[in-house]
Amino acid sequence: QLQLQESGPGLVKPSETLSLTCTVSGGSISSSSYYWGWIRQPPGKGLEWIGSIYYSGSTYYNPSLKSRVTISVDTSKNQFSLKLSSVTAADTAVYYCATLEIAVAAIDPWGQGTLVTVSS
Amino acid sequence: DIQMTQSPSTLSASVGDRVTITCRASQSISSWLAWYQQKPGKAPKLLIYKASSLESGVPSRFSGSGSGTEFTLTISSLQPDDFATYYCQQYNSYSLTFGGGTKVEIK
Repeated sequence: QLQLQESGPGLVKPSETLSLTCTVSGGSISSSSYYWGWIRQPPGKGLEWIGSIYYSGSTYYNPSLKSRVTISVDTSKNQFSLKLSSVTAADTAVYYCATLEIAVAAIDPWGQGTLVTVSS
Repeated sequence: DIQMTQSPSTLSASVGDRVTITCRASQSISSWLAWYQQKPGKAPKLLIYKASSLESGVPSRFSGSGSGTEFTLTISSLQPDDFATYYCQQYNSYSLTFGGGTKVEIK
């Protein structure tokens, strides 16, 4: 079964770029059955979809973050990545990578999540 | 963008109670709605997809209903393991939105 694992720095300075990678195991990122996405959750708050990517490279972003977000896929490594530029303290959150199963339009599985703190 | 309004934001209930959580979409999403359970420090867990389909392994006391703009998640008899926060999520035109969440607390 699919498993996802986030990796990347846990601390990012204001105005810099947050970069995370998600490694997919137990299946191929080139599957036509899934989109691969990023979702975040500020401490004590709700869930926010950041964006999704298809293995072909087609991307879909949350309009509220679109100007700062880039999601990319590396099929040779079975990984996809998130870059969020010009971060502020408001971007402090647990970042989850996740699988959107296209046929049912639901997210499963999720990575365990990684806390990224924006602070100088 | 489609907005999802979830209610109530907090719910106090006792073991054995029947619990209902509502999610309203700002425009029709057909049946493209999922429900998740989240416990502190953990990733959300999928409970229901396509509004009313129970995810494999999820207890049958969980059920979902609705279509169009109004949806409900029902727990028929609340169990100790069910105290958690629940989120709805819509999918439309390659975009996702979550509801604000409902925290189910012990009464």
